[in-house]
Amino acid sequence: DIQMTQSPSSLSASVGDRVTITCQASQDIRHYLNWYQQKSGKAPKLLIYEASNLETGVPSRFSGSGSGTDFTFTISSLQPEDIATYYCQQYDNPPFAFGGGTKVEIK
Amino acid sequence: EVQLVESGGGLVKPGGSLRLSCTASGFIFSDYNMNWVRQAPGKGLEWVSFISSSSFYIYYADSVRGRFTISRDNARNSLYLQMNTLTAEDTAVYYCARVGSRWSYWGRGILVTVSS
Repeated sequence: DIQMTQSPSSLSASVGDRVTITCQASQDIRHYLNWYQQKSGKAPKLLIYEASNLETGVPSRFSGSGSGTDFTFTISSLQPEDIATYYCQQYDNPPFAFGGGTKVEIK
Repeated sequence: EVQLVESGGGLVKPGGSLRLSCTASGFIFSDYNMNWVRQAPGKGLEWVSFISSSSFYIYYADSVRGRFTISRDNARNSLYLQMNTLTAEDTAVYYCARVGSRWSYWGRGILVTVSS
């Protein structure tokens, strides 16, 4: 089974900062990686699909890159409304594992 | 508007059973693969099960294989998760999620609590 290792598990940054989260797959998943945002008590919201494609309606400050086993998610300028937990997920082959999550807080 | 609404959750004793439903609207249900994903209190997301549009392909997480059964009724626009031999580790919010080219649509989730 493919394991997804996401880091860091939490981070604190200032409004306007650039935030980067990484996700590593235990084997090649090509570009089949999603990034989600989950706010407290809500369902996950898809932000990025196929590693680098921005979901419709998602602000352009969110971006993703990578392929194979190493992926990066970036918020170019952190906003107060970005406070949430972010998850990566591979969907190349089942089981469609999620990373452990990154909790983003404002400093 | 695409909507996915889970139902059937609640409190169940260890060893008991529960059947979750997910009712879909706003799209042609029979065209899409579907998933169940769960989240234990204070924990991360865990994929549970997948069913293809025609029910030909079905997959489970190791943690639920042999105890949970995913199914669907395309005529009723409904997805199901039959959960048997429940343990405290199955306590979670359960989400249904539609898979097309993207995992764009998720239900609000339904809480399942396994406790004596």
